[in-house]
This record gives sequence, structure tokens and C-alpha cells, in this order.
Amino acid sequence: DTGVSQDPRHKITKRGQNVTFRCDPISEHNRLYWYRQTLGQGPEFLTYFQNEAQLEKSRLLSDRFSAERPKGSFSTLEIQRTEQGDSAMYLCASSLGWGREAFFGQGTRLTVV
Amino acid sequence: QKEVEQNSGPLSVPEGAIASLNCTYSDRVSQSFFWYRQYSGKSPELIMSIYSNGDKEDGRFTAQLNKASQYVSLLIRDSQPSDSATYLCAANFGNEKLTFGTGTRLTIIP
Repeated sequence: DTGVSQDPRHKITKRGQNVTFRCDPISEHNRLYWYRQTLGQGPEFLTYFQNEAQLEKSRLLSDRFSAERPKGSFSTLEIQRTEQGDSAMYLCASSLGWGREAFFGQGTRLTVV
Repeated sequence: QKEVEQNSGPLSVPEGAIASLNCTYSDRVSQSFFWYRQYSGKSPELIMSIYSNGDKEDGRFTAQLNKASQYVSLLIRDSQPSDSATYLCAANFGNEKLTFGTGTRLTIIP
């Protein structure tokens, strides 16, 4: 069990650029979640996958955001035309099933300048 | 809007004492509750999960759940400076996602 892995750990980008983050969940976990956390707040749900199916998206996830989980393994989160308000820690988590413990990766800290 | 409420703190506790962290939630159908510890600049780390009324102990940590009163708490015994962190309470409101509180910042004073 190597835990949830996220890449990159830090990303600085200019406003208007596109960025993509990757998450590798714990291998036997079929649920994968994306959250966003800003300073002083708890993580906010963005979207989740059960295997390769994206089953729920938050209204926080604007059209500029897209997530995929091809073949039910790793997942990517892409943000197009980044805005300064997108600056946050993007967290990926995985779990074995509904209501079970979710384990987080190290997070990707995005700074939009 | 289903919510999880926590006192943001900061909560200061002397080393060796018991730290008590509290959390209330808004929906009676909640089934699963979790406590995460988050050091500054790091990601949340799961420390306790609790699913039924009563107490659950794991080392120096005890989680307490009271569904009738809609609160969940975390006790940390023999507090150590390394326990200084933000503690996040999370609930599963009968769906797939976790809803988090804003966290309580705990400082252990040597």
C-alpha cells in the first residue's frame, strides 16, 4: 500500500493558462474523489468517480474544470483558462466504498499569478 | 444545506493534558464520521472514523458520537507538542462525498 499519490506537488501558472493534475489512488480502491481547499477552510467536494464513471460533480466545478479517470485507475483534473480564484490546494482521495474511510494524497498546491 | 460546524479555535492545551475537540452536524441521516489531522501546508490525515453511537478508542485518541444530539467529539489524551495541528471533522450525509467543517486549530503548550 503506497498510499494516494498526486503530481505535481506545486504548480505556479499564469492566468489564462491550462493546468492538469494527476492522482494515483490506492490500488484496490474503486472510489476516487477530488476536493479543493483554500486557506482557513475545510476541503470542498468537487467530483468523484466509481471506477471509471464520474458520478457526481459539485456546482463548484465550472465548465473550465474537467476530470477523467480512464480505465478506473489514475485520474486527471484539468483546469482551463485559469483564474486567480483557482489558487488553492487540490486534494485527491480514494476509498474502498460508500461511507468508508477516505485517504488523501499529498495535494497539489496551485498558484495562479 | 447540510453542514458540519466546528469551533475554529485556536484551542490551547498544556502538554500532558486532555484536548477536547467538538463538532456538530445538521442532518440526522448522517452515517459516518471522521476526524482528520492537518499540519500547516500538508494534506489531511485520517486519524479516526466512527459509525455508531458511543466511544471508539485508538491509542491516545477517543472519538465519541451522539446521534440524538448530533455531535461528535475527539479527545486526545496526554497531549504532545506534535499534536499541534488543525483537526477537521467530516460527515457523510448519506451520499458519496464527505462534508468537512472548517477545522479547529489546536496548540499544545510545552
